[in-house]
Amino acid sequence: AQKVTQAQTEISVVEKEDVTLDCVYETRDTTYYLFWYKQPPSGELVFLIRRNSFDEQNEISGRYSWNFQKSTSSFNFTITASQVVDSAVYFCALSDIYNAGNMLTFGGGTRLMVKP
Amino acid sequence: NAGVTQTPKFQVLKTGQSMTLQCAQDMNHEYMSWYRQDPGMGLRLIHYSVGAGITDQGEVPNGYNVSRSTTEDFPLRLLSAAPSQTSVYFCASSYKGGTHTEAFFGQGTRLTVV
Repeated sequence: AQKVTQAQTEISVVEKEDVTLDCVYETRDTTYYLFWYKQPPSGELVFLIRRNSFDEQNEISGRYSWNFQKSTSSFNFTITASQVVDSAVYFCALSDIYNAGNMLTFGGGTRLMVKP
Repeated sequence: NAGVTQTPKFQVLKTGQSMTLQCAQDMNHEYMSWYRQDPGMGLRLIHYSVGAGITDQGEVPNGYNVSRSTTEDFPLRLLSAAPSQTSVYFCASSYKGGTHTEAFFGQGTRLTVV
């Protein structure tokens, strides 16, 4: 069975601070996909990144970066110089390689509050 | 581009009533799925489909039925609503493979059962 744990239920930071959201997963599969989604106060789910378990290269996209470490089963998400618009609930999710994007196992989410 | 469209956006049901949540996608995605979101529990998979005519149960299927007669549509039926089904429901679709396998989500349906 797959499991995703986001131990941080809520994080509060002041604008311009850096913040890291933790994600730890469990799976018996040797190949799998990991995802991060953002849910702003308006409620929709916005795709941020997909990572294949074959590829442990870290990724940076603007102020966002992701650290994938297969050895520790973690896929952490860092926001550099946080902004008020980053306030949202962030979900980490996992799927096997054959059902990528379809049968997602989600973590409980981390609510990030960025104060001005 | 419409993407994934869910209707209705809000619904209040009385215990025991039935209803269908509609989901349609216009991206020709093979995969579609339904999730429910409850506070502190993230999203949990209810049912999923890998193509027209093929559906299967997810983690929390009890009390829900689905069918997939076309590629575009994947309705979720609540047979006899219960207060425990009060939740936000999300429909998602995705490609079967390739470089873009992320799920695209609808706007959600907030359901209250009284």
